This record gives sequence, C-alpha cells and structure tokens, in this order.
Amino acid sequence: AQTVTQSQPEMSVQEAETVTLSCTYDTSENNYYLFWYKQPPSRQMILVIRQEAYKQQNATENRFSVNFQKAAKSFSLKISDSQLGDTAMYFCAFMRYNNNDMRFGAGTRLTVKP
Amino acid sequence: DGGITQSPKYLFRKEGQNVTLSCEQNLNHDAMYWYRQDPGQGLRLIYYSQIVNDFQKGDIAEGYSVSREKKESFPLTVTSAQKNPTAFYLCASSSVEAGHYGYTFGSGTRLTVV
Repeated sequence: AQTVTQSQPEMSVQEAETVTLSCTYDTSENNYYLFWYKQPPSRQMILVIRQEAYKQQNATENRFSVNFQKAAKSFSLKISDSQLGDTAMYFCAFMRYNNNDMRFGAGTRLTVKP
Repeated sequence: DGGITQSPKYLFRKEGQNVTLSCEQNLNHDAMYWYRQDPGQGLRLIYYSQIVNDFQKGDIAEGYSVSREKKESFPLTVTSAQKNPTAFYLCASSSVEAGHYGYTFGSGTRLTVV
C-alpha cells in the first residue's frame, strides 16, 4: 500500500515571505500522480497543484510550485509571496496510474502572519 | 452550476443508531468516494465506487455501508458497529477517464455521537 508522510504538523510564515511544505511518499509504482490540496477554515477541499510522475518538469501554478524528486520520493510545495488567505491545512496526496483512489498525508497546518 | 452536495452539514447520532449521510453530484462523474477526516490523521478512504451498482472497500470500511443505485448518488450509512463515528466526512467525485486530474469535493458533514 502507498503511504504519504507530511512531517510538519504545523508551520507559520510572515506575509509576503516564502514557505516550503514537505511531503514524502512510498510506492513501488513507476507511474503515478501527486497532488497538493488546500483546506481553509471553511473545510472545502481545493486542488492547488498536481504533478505527473513521468514528467520531469516541476509543476507551477501562479505563486505555488513544487519540487518533485522522483528518486527520493519527495514532493514539496513552495508558496511564494504568502498571503493571509493562504492560511489553511495543506494535504499531499498520491494516486496510482490507472487507479482513481487517492491516498492523503496527515496534513500541515499553515498560518500566514500579518 | 455543476457540483457535489453533501447533506446535512451537521448530524447528531445517539449511540446504537444508524445514520445516513447524503452525497449527490451533477457533474456526470462515474466515480465517487467517501473519506473520513480526523484531527492529525488526514483523510482516510472508506468506500469508493467507479460504476453504478458496484463499490469497493477502502482502508477503513468496517462499520460503514454504501449503495450506488444511481450515478448521481452515493449515500454512506454509519452503522451502530462503527465504534467511534464522530468525525468529519467528505464525499468526492471524479471522471474515471480523467480522475488523475483530481477530485471534486463536497463541503462535508460533521457527525457527532451524543
């Protein structure tokens, strides 16, 4: 079974600064997908960014980017120019190729301070 | 607007009672999922279904049951066999062909045993 580990239960960052959230995963698969989801206080899950394992290029979505290290099975999320609205729980998730069920890490609670 | 609707938002259950959580989607998605969220444990998969009249157990199916009689609906019953049902429950859906683009989530149901 695949496992996803987020080793930082809580983090904080000053507004406008950069923060990196860590995620590692364990799998024997070669093809798979990785995701970062954001859950604000409303508890609505919002997809932030996704990465296809067969693509070497790191995914980027505006202020959000990932550092995907396939050999190390690492998938960190970098948030640049942090905003107060980025305060949320962030979940890393793994999905096998050709299998739609997703596995999540325990989450990192991020607080952006003014 | 297309989306996924969970009801009720809050649900209270007496010990020994069965309760059913509703999940409806109008996105024409084939696949639907139920997750349980507890503090510090992220999201854990309860059941999922990729086609009408078929579903599979996830990692923590004991004490839960589901049905998938219609494509749009995937209700979850929390039975009296579930010893610790107090949690936040999230329903999600995805296209089977494009599930690797991520899920659409509902807004969740908070279940409390009283």
